[in-house]
Amino acid sequence: AQRVTQPEKLLSVFKGAPVELKCNYSYSGSPELFWYVQYSRQRLQLLLRHISRESIKGFTADLNKGETSFHLKKPFAQEEDSAMYYCALKGDRGSTLGRLYFGRGTQLTVWP
Amino acid sequence: DSGVTQTPKHLITATGQRVTLRCSPRSGDLSVYWYQQSLDQGLQFLIQYYNGEERAKGNILERFSAQQFPDLHSELNLSSLELGDSALYFCASSPYNNEQFFGPGTRLTVL
Repeated sequence: AQRVTQPEKLLSVFKGAPVELKCNYSYSGSPELFWYVQYSRQRLQLLLRHISRESIKGFTADLNKGETSFHLKKPFAQEEDSAMYYCALKGDRGSTLGRLYFGRGTQLTVWP
Repeated sequence: DSGVTQTPKHLITATGQRVTLRCSPRSGDLSVYWYQQSLDQGLQFLIQYYNGEERAKGNILERFSAQQFPDLHSELNLSSLELGDSALYFCASSPYNNEQFFGPGTRLTVL
């Protein structure tokens, strides 16, 4: 069954420190992985998708199929990075096609 | 703003009542998705429509139903409401099976 796990509910770092938000998934096909960010009282916004392999706001994420992980990293955290981060998987077949499966989210707080 | 819009922003109602949440997708997007975000269940996929037809169903209760109209806006109907239905309901739209753009959500409180 498809599942996305974000083991850390809360993560706090100081400004300028590296940050890594963990995401593991289980899916039998070839999923597409995403990171969404939700700033306080705002809508979910797409941050990254693994197929584009781009860096947004200094964040990167690499899909590791061997470890079924898609961790989000940033070398130097900023206070404005404080938000809720969701890892999501999009199915590629049948009833899972197109729908997003979300992890429970990690609340990142960056202290000054 | 040509993004996804949802109305109302907030809804407070009583148990046993029925409510309708409305979603207008981005211009040109044919797919609409509904998600429920609650403290105990997290973000859960409810249902997807594509150009007026139901495409996929997730963890949607029988008390809930949805439809997509010819102008592509969608409505999510929640009936016989229970306390546990209190949640944030998101709508998202996409051209087809591409990136989903989310609306601001409707916060439903059932008292």
